[in-house]
Amino acid sequence: DAKTTQPNSMESNEEEPVHLPCNHSTISGTDYIHWYRQLPSQGPEYVIHGLTSNVNNRMASLAIAEDRKSSTLILHRATLRDAAVYYCILKGAGGTSYGKLTFGQGTILTVHP
Amino acid sequence: EAGVTQFPSHSVIEKGQTVTLRCDPISGHDNLYWYRRVMGKEIKFLLHFVKESKQDESGMPNNRFLAERTGGTYSTLKVQPAELEDSGVYFCASSPRDLGGGELFFGEGSRLTVL
Repeated sequence: DAKTTQPNSMESNEEEPVHLPCNHSTISGTDYIHWYRQLPSQGPEYVIHGLTSNVNNRMASLAIAEDRKSSTLILHRATLRDAAVYYCILKGAGGTSYGKLTFGQGTILTVHP
Repeated sequence: EAGVTQFPSHSVIEKGQTVTLRCDPISGHDNLYWYRRVMGKEIKFLLHFVKESKQDESGMPNNRFLAERTGGTYSTLKVQPAELEDSGVYFCASSPRDLGGGELFFGEGSRLTVL
């Protein structure tokens, strides 16, 4: 599976925007870029995904570089509830392992009041 | 609509005993996955069912682990006999039938402690 690289940790203040970077220089043409997060004592939670174009949903925005070798998850106004571990994951489409997510260590986001 | 539910939420057993974890996916989801996080490690894929068939079981650690999904609804993951290194949190996830771009819905996990 293609590998992603994320900073170990980041900090933000409440109600400020947060930009979480992810590098995936070995991404293949059919890999989707997924972001999940895990709050304490919970299972991973889907945040957003994209293929080539930038994406927006109620939780966040995903900015994908033109060459697709990097992406940025944007939380527009961080809240205390956004404190979690954020995982950037490349997910293949089709084939026998299309459901398989390869989790890295993720980025621990701390949000200060 | 109910999410993915897992039972039990926490199980404590002695080494050598047997434990069975259960996962009820979201109704209508053909895909069901098992993942686990052992202490200090990353979340790792175990296996993937499409309905009742095993699509990918490349992550199953050894033959002490047996996963079933009879009838294509709920799934069980049995560990027999349990070893100390099996301690961790076991997550189940489900998703609708798709080509792979969609999201997975995770349960809250079953914490297994082997003493």
